[in-house]
Parts: sequence; C-alpha cells; structure tokens
Amino acid sequence: RKEVEQDPGPFNVPEGATVAFNCTYSNSASQSFFWYRQDCRKEPKLLMSVYSSGNEDGRFTAQLNRASQYISLLIRDSKLSDSATYLCAVNNNDMRFGAGTRLTVKP
Amino acid sequence: GAGVSQTPSNKVTEKGKYVELRCDPISGHTALYWYRQSLGQGPEFLIYFQGTGAADDSGLPNDRFFAVRPEGSVSTLKIQRTERGDSAVYLCASSAAGKTDTQYFGPGTRLTVL
Repeated sequence: RKEVEQDPGPFNVPEGATVAFNCTYSNSASQSFFWYRQDCRKEPKLLMSVYSSGNEDGRFTAQLNRASQYISLLIRDSKLSDSATYLCAVNNNDMRFGAGTRLTVKP
Repeated sequence: GAGVSQTPSNKVTEKGKYVELRCDPISGHTALYWYRQSLGQGPEFLIYFQGTGAADDSGLPNDRFFAVRPEGSVSTLKIQRTERGDSAVYLCASSAAGKTDTQYFGPGTRLTVL
C-alpha cells in the first residue's frame, strides 16, 4: 500500500461546480499536511497547509481527519483557471506526495 | 524575492554519461531537498540537506546518485553512469528551517537519458 493515496481522476466539472478531493495516508505519526497545485510541466506550488482545525482560503477549504487518516480539499465555485493536478503531501520526517488528482474545469 | 532556481531546465544525455544538476534555494533557507518526479506520479523524495550536511539520503535509489551542498546554499545533484530509467524531472525545494516547514519548489530539471 502506498503511503499517500489519491484518486487520480480525472475530475471533469463545469464552471461554478463544487468539487472535493480526498487523500489518505498510512503513517499515523504524520505531523504536517499540505495541498499543492501543479500545472502541466510546471513545479508544484503550495496551495495551502492543512491544520487540525481545518482552514479556508477563499474558495478553498482543507480539512484533516486524523482518526481516519485523510485530508480533503474542497473547491467551491470552480473557475477554468482551477484546472490543474492537485497533490497532497504528508510530512513525517520525510515529505511524501500522492500521485495527484487531475481536475479539469470546463466552460 | 527570488524563488528556488534550477539549472539546466532541460538536459539530454546518453546512457552511461555523468550529469550534474544545480539548485539555488531561496536565500536564507537552511533546508534543501531533492525530489524526482516521473510522469503521472508525485514527487519522490531523494535527499535532504540541513545546512551543509546531508541529514537524510534514504531516498537516493543507488550509489550512482550523489548530492552535495558545500557552503550550505547551492546544491548539486550528481548522477553517474546514467540509465534510461533515470529520465524524469528532478525537483529541488527549500524550506526556512526544518522538515516540517513549508517547502517551495524550483522549476525542475527535465533529464532525458537516451
């Protein structure tokens, strides 16, 4: 079993839709959690850190569920520019990334 | 300020050759990381430097891979006797202090071994 697992998608949604991604991790001792966004042939860029209490940044909401060992990302009111691959990252001594979930927002 | 920079952006080499990939982290960041990303996968950890020393090199796949950071800033990833399976994007990241800090990535070096 991989340490960090994500549904690869693709998720194809219309503009304005709400979409949610989950990411599960296997190491219960993991300490910090992140969502990164990666555009085609570009480097990952930090979207947001994920805190135990959950956090929101505009249209993006991240949640952590330590008991079930998953993190989630919710995107509201999707824009065309949200089309990208979303990588979750889990840090316990080393940063481990999921393979990413591909999102395409269509007009 | 300036982000993480990496050179070259692309490198094409022949099987069996030696390559060096360079990373210049964000100024003042003490922690530096190398990752490798293959198509359709997330970045895979290779090595972590804290200052000049390799604090964790457990991700290096074999002894053909080596990395240095002699002055605690710029780092070079060195690959000897390259193989076709080494073809990937090599990403460098840096963070302000330790491993739990947010990591910021450079644009990567796309390595192609023919």
